[in-house]
Amino acid sequence: NAGVTQTPKFRILKIGQSMTLQCTQDMNHNYMYWYRQDPGMGLKLIYYSVGAGITDKGEVPNGYNVSRSTTEDFPLRLELAAPSQTSVYFCAGRDSGNTIYFGEGSWLTVV
Amino acid sequence: SQKIEQNSEALNIQEGKTATLTCNYTNYSPAYLQWYRQDPGRGPVFLLLIRENEKEKRKERLKVTFDTTLKQSLFHITASQPADSATYLCALRYNTNAGKSTFGDGTTLTVKP
Repeated sequence: NAGVTQTPKFRILKIGQSMTLQCTQDMNHNYMYWYRQDPGMGLKLIYYSVGAGITDKGEVPNGYNVSRSTTEDFPLRLELAAPSQTSVYFCAGRDSGNTIYFGEGSWLTVV
Repeated sequence: SQKIEQNSEALNIQEGKTATLTCNYTNYSPAYLQWYRQDPGRGPVFLLLIRENEKEKRKERLKVTFDTTLKQSLFHITASQPADSATYLCALRYNTNAGKSTFGDGTTLTVKP
């Protein structure tokens, strides 16, 4: 199993551009999450999903959107990128034993 | 809203000693409390989970305690090694929160040889 896979690993965006961070998992998790982590800080929840077709906002959803058309995929869309969205983004899935499996992260810089 | 405090940003100890990291929270106790390890440039990796009705959990050199009266969890690494150097995050999860976990800011542990 590959676990949780995120792409791209690194990306530089200009202010106002849009992009999608891809996340796919092969562990059949129903629960999936997108977090952002600013330097020296903990993880802040952006959006989450409890299953295909069901998504909901987390603590910091503004400026982002998600979709969950399949169990495997949970892409995060950034519309009109702003410098405040410069961060490291982690996608994660949760198993039935309450363990969260994180991807390796996507480093995004908005200039 | 729930607030989580991890004892300090950084903890430096000598190899062989026991490292003790603290996680304090406000409001009501979570159903589960988890500890994760994060290495620079990597995603967090799950270490241990303890339930609200459990006092202590062990895994090899790791021990977690959970005191719902003090609203505190302690994370111990015995016989610490330089390879234990990393940032350790605690996370709380409540049964009513659709599986969402709230994370602390982490404590960076450095074990010196």
